[in-house]
Amino acid sequence: DGGITQSPKYLFRKEGQNVTLSCEQNLNHDAMYWYRQDPGQGLRLIYYSQIVNDFQKGDIAEGYSVSREKKESFPLTVTSAQKNPTAFYLCASSPFKEDPLLSTDTQYFGPGTRLTVL
Amino acid sequence: AQSVTQPDIHITVSEGASLELRCNYSYGATPYLFWYVQSPGQGLQLLLKYFSGDTLVQGIKGFEAEFKRSQSSFNLRKPSVHWSDAAEYFCAVFLGYTGGFKTIFGAGTRLFVKA
Repeated sequence: DGGITQSPKYLFRKEGQNVTLSCEQNLNHDAMYWYRQDPGQGLRLIYYSQIVNDFQKGDIAEGYSVSREKKESFPLTVTSAQKNPTAFYLCASSPFKEDPLLSTDTQYFGPGTRLTVL
Repeated sequence: AQSVTQPDIHITVSEGASLELRCNYSYGATPYLFWYVQSPGQGLQLLLKYFSGDTLVQGIKGFEAEFKRSQSSFNLRKPSVHWSDAAEYFCAVFLGYTGGFKTIFGAGTRLFVKA
């Protein structure tokens, strides 16, 4: 079955530590995304990548870093510089097409990772 | 500025009753609109989307939504709610491919279903 996997499901981190969240997809999608979700708020975009070896900052990139060495993988590192890292993190992927009218696809989301900083 | 507003933070309906979740958007161009559902601790699942054409859109799990340009709304409806529909629902507007698949999400409406 095609889909997106995120691991781990729950993650605990001490203050001052970096931690890396995994995201893997076997949908052959070009684009991948990381979102952060906080209670009572919609999703906010952290980083996105349209193609291997390229990625762009989203709306709240400070304190986060990513890499895109393989099409299937887009890991997110939450660094110690992120002041309020406790949140639910969602990874997504999508095909990349210039004209959305030509595409009926949208983003597919993984099950999420809940990060708690102790 | 572009925005998506879901006026109701939470809604409670009885099982078997009808449901309407409100969504208003602010966007100057033709909007591409989505409704997603999220069960606790899970990722988002797409319910339906509107790109063009018929303004009444059918989705999965018996949901539908109607796009009303004059009201800048894209309300989600279901004629008879099941207990398994209890979840959080997000409305979203797609801004286009400039800068990636840029989507703005509303804050969500949590649906509670009572027996």
